[in-house]
Amino acid sequence: AQSVTQPDIHITVSEGASLELRCNYSYGATPYLFWYVQSPGQGLQLLLKYFSGDTLVQGIKGFEAEFKRSQSSFNLRKPSVHWSDAAEYFCAVDGYTGTASKLTFGTGTRLQVTL
Amino acid sequence: NAGVTQTPKFQVLKTGQSMTLQCAQDMNHEYMSWYRQDPGMGLRLIHYSVGAGITDQGEVPNGYNVSRSTTEDFPLRLLSAAPSQTSVYFCASSRLSPGQGREQYFGPGTRLTVT
Repeated sequence: AQSVTQPDIHITVSEGASLELRCNYSYGATPYLFWYVQSPGQGLQLLLKYFSGDTLVQGIKGFEAEFKRSQSSFNLRKPSVHWSDAAEYFCAVDGYTGTASKLTFGTGTRLQVTL
Repeated sequence: NAGVTQTPKFQVLKTGQSMTLQCAQDMNHEYMSWYRQDPGMGLRLIHYSVGAGITDQGEVPNGYNVSRSTTEDFPLRLLSAAPSQTSVYFCASSRLSPGQGREQYFGPGTRLTVT
């Protein structure tokens, strides 16, 4: 069965500092991977996705993520965090098998940004 | 396009009451799904549908029913509400794209409290 682990429940960074949020997945085949962001009281917004090809993917709001098959990881990074980045971030894996797709989410990492 | 819409935004139920959470999308997406979000548990899949007339269970289906009579609508029914169903419910939709993972678009959520 597929699974996603986000080992950091809560991270605090200073505005302007770099950020890395960790994500490890378990899936038997080539995964389809996503990062979503959720602001308080809001729905989820897609930041970026990996399907195949280049292992470094660029997303919105200056975020990027790198797929490392050998480490089963898909970590999210941003070189300089802004106060508006404070939110909860979810990594997800899509166990795509034709029509039987099921998106499995990690438990999320809450990002706090200090000024 | 309105995207994915959900009603109501908030709902309070008494134990044993029934209700239907509405979800609609105007993007002509084949795939629709329902998730519940609980603190520290991320999002968990309740039910999903790959097209009108076709539904299947997700990770936590007990206590919930769904049907899909049209491409646009995917209501979630709680037959006899229990306090354990207090949660935030998200509906999502996506295309069925062979060979690619599904980029899911999320609604704003329904916050349900069962007393």
